[in-house]
Amino acid sequence: EAGVTQFPSHSVIEKGQTVTLRCDPISGHDNLYWYRRVMGKEIKFLLHFVKESKQDESGMPNNRFLAERTGGTYSTLKVQPAELEDSGVYFCASSQIVAYEQYFGPGTRLTVT
Amino acid sequence: AQKITQTQPGMFVQEKEAVTLDCTYDTSDPSYGLFWYKQPSSGEMIFLIYQGSYDQQNATEGRYSLNFQKARKSANLVISASQLGDSAMYFCAMREANFGNEKLTFGTGTRLTIIP
Repeated sequence: EAGVTQFPSHSVIEKGQTVTLRCDPISGHDNLYWYRRVMGKEIKFLLHFVKESKQDESGMPNNRFLAERTGGTYSTLKVQPAELEDSGVYFCASSQIVAYEQYFGPGTRLTVT
Repeated sequence: AQKITQTQPGMFVQEKEAVTLDCTYDTSDPSYGLFWYKQPSSGEMIFLIYQGSYDQQNATEGRYSLNFQKARKSANLVISASQLGDSAMYFCAMREANFGNEKLTFGTGTRLTIIP
């Protein structure tokens, strides 16, 4: 069974540009989460999808971030326009409904210069 | 609000010794879950162990055990007979047990280095 995959693994962009991160959850997992770790700090929750619906987006930092999960399968997280403080590692995780274990992807390292 | 505290930014341990990674938590929710994840240098987050707040016994998974002291609000990870491959970042995390709100709150992590 394939794990959670994320693309790209690393992205370097300039301030003001747009970047789209993609997450493919484990097949059959209705829960999908986005987290972010800024250098040296804790991993922080961004948002949670149940199928295609946003269940909780309380962790989204501002309206420059837009997450979608069309059809309840893969998800994208777009940052537009990117700022220096958006640099960090973005993790995606998925889980089955009513399951405590979240399976994490390898993360996307975003560097904004 | 939930909070996880990991007070050890880094630890060095001799191979084959046991190691304890500290984690304390704060929550007002009587029902919650506690997790430990390992992040090796390759970057992926690997689930290690889980403890529910109502579990009577400490969780164990192979060489990993969770020393759960509810009254002290601590959930330390114990790794027995450490190996070189245990060198990694370790994150403690907590989840509220409310259905539909399973987001994790993480600590800042502990970097464990096993010395040959």
